[in-house]
Amino acid sequence: QQQVKQSPQSLIVQKGGISIINCAYENTAFDYFPWYQQFPGKGPALLIAIRPDVSEKKEGRFTISFNKSAKQFSLHIMDSQPGDSATYFCAAGGQLVFGKGTKLTVNP
Amino acid sequence: DGGITQSPKYLFRKEGQNVTLSCEQNLNHDAMYWYRQDPGQGLRLIYYSQIVNDFQKGDIAEGYSVSREKKESFPLTVTSAQKNPTAFYLCASSIAGRAYGYTFGSGTRLTVV
Repeated sequence: QQQVKQSPQSLIVQKGGISIINCAYENTAFDYFPWYQQFPGKGPALLIAIRPDVSEKKEGRFTISFNKSAKQFSLHIMDSQPGDSATYFCAAGGQLVFGKGTKLTVNP
Repeated sequence: DGGITQSPKYLFRKEGQNVTLSCEQNLNHDAMYWYRQDPGQGLRLIYYSQIVNDFQKGDIAEGYSVSREKKESFPLTVTSAQKNPTAFYLCASSIAGRAYGYTFGSGTRLTVV
């Protein structure tokens, strides 16, 4: 009930491409779904977040798509840049439960 | 600027030693958390505290201890009972124990030598 499953574990895309990371949750009581971005040796930083009353939220090149019935949400990074290379974590909660992370590499 | 300060950034521990990692926040957050991060394992919750003088075990509390004597501070002690302490440790805080405004520190990398 408390797990958040994230995929893929790693992702390589070319500059200008679209990066897509998926997460699935089990607990229907979860009411907040953030994505965090982490660079090596740094703490995670909030990237974008969504609540279950909307199906999509866009901030610049970053979009969360949310499917409440399927209990899934995803992060889309449009026009991916080498500077986007980082580890991305989805989370869900209440008290946040984190996915295991996706290491994104954007090749120039 | 408000934020979370973790110190030291790097820490080396000899076998059998206890070491304490510092976490201080000036965000006026009620709740504070400690996570351990290993490659491919994501973020695993060690301990959390919703209020001063109270804290609860997370998923991997064995070999760790904490205290919460002040709202701003939540130190983590890695004891000699923790058999594999080499990891990246992250402190976080949030508003009133909720996910909103969840903020992380910059981490402490602990290595056993």
